[in-house]
Amino acid sequence: KAGVTQTPRYLIKTRGQQVTLSCSPISGHRSVSWYQQTPGQGLQFLFEYFSETQRNKGNFPGRFSGRQFSNSRSEMNVSTLELGDSALYLCASSLGGNSYEQYFGPGTRLTVT
Amino acid sequence: DQQVKQNSPSLSVQEGRISILNCDYTNSMFDYFLWYKKYPAEGPTFLISISSIKDKNEDGRFTVFLNKSAKHLSLHIVPSQPGDSAVYFCAAGPPKAAGNKLTFGGGTRVLVKP
Repeated sequence: KAGVTQTPRYLIKTRGQQVTLSCSPISGHRSVSWYQQTPGQGLQFLFEYFSETQRNKGNFPGRFSGRQFSNSRSEMNVSTLELGDSALYLCASSLGGNSYEQYFGPGTRLTVT
Repeated sequence: DQQVKQNSPSLSVQEGRISILNCDYTNSMFDYFLWYKKYPAEGPTFLISISSIKDKNEDGRFTVFLNKSAKHLSLHIVPSQPGDSAVYFCAAGPPKAAGNKLTFGGGTRVLVKP
């Protein structure tokens, strides 16, 4: 079974621009979560989507948004990029229901200049 | 407020010996706990999990122990292998009805020396 895939793997953007990252979960997984990893803050939860609905949200500004499609694929969008948004953005999928485990993709490395 | 803490930023161990990684948490509402291994430029790889109703879970070389009264969990790797050299994160999750929202510790870098 294919793992979680994320595109693109690397991205360079300029401050003020916006960016969209994509995540394809493991087949059959209905929950997709997004995390941000930075050297200073570690791994931090952004939001979770389950059956096309946002089920959880972390403590990030409204510039960070996401959505999930009917095939469970998910996108996250960051508008008005700031230098501090430079990070590794990780997507994780899980079955949902009573399953604990989340499986991560390789991440998208975003650099804001 | 760090709800999940890994107080040892690094650990060095000889090949074949036991690696013990520790994790403390403050939120008694956490319902399950997981350990992940991460190599540079890759996403975290799931290792093992434990529900709050258990105190031990074993999978091959990996064993996780949970002490709810102390709000402490540990991961034992026996025997340690050079390929185990990576950063290890513990994570905690809320009751399942609250969905998936993992809170991660800061990670422990493990170096296994041949």
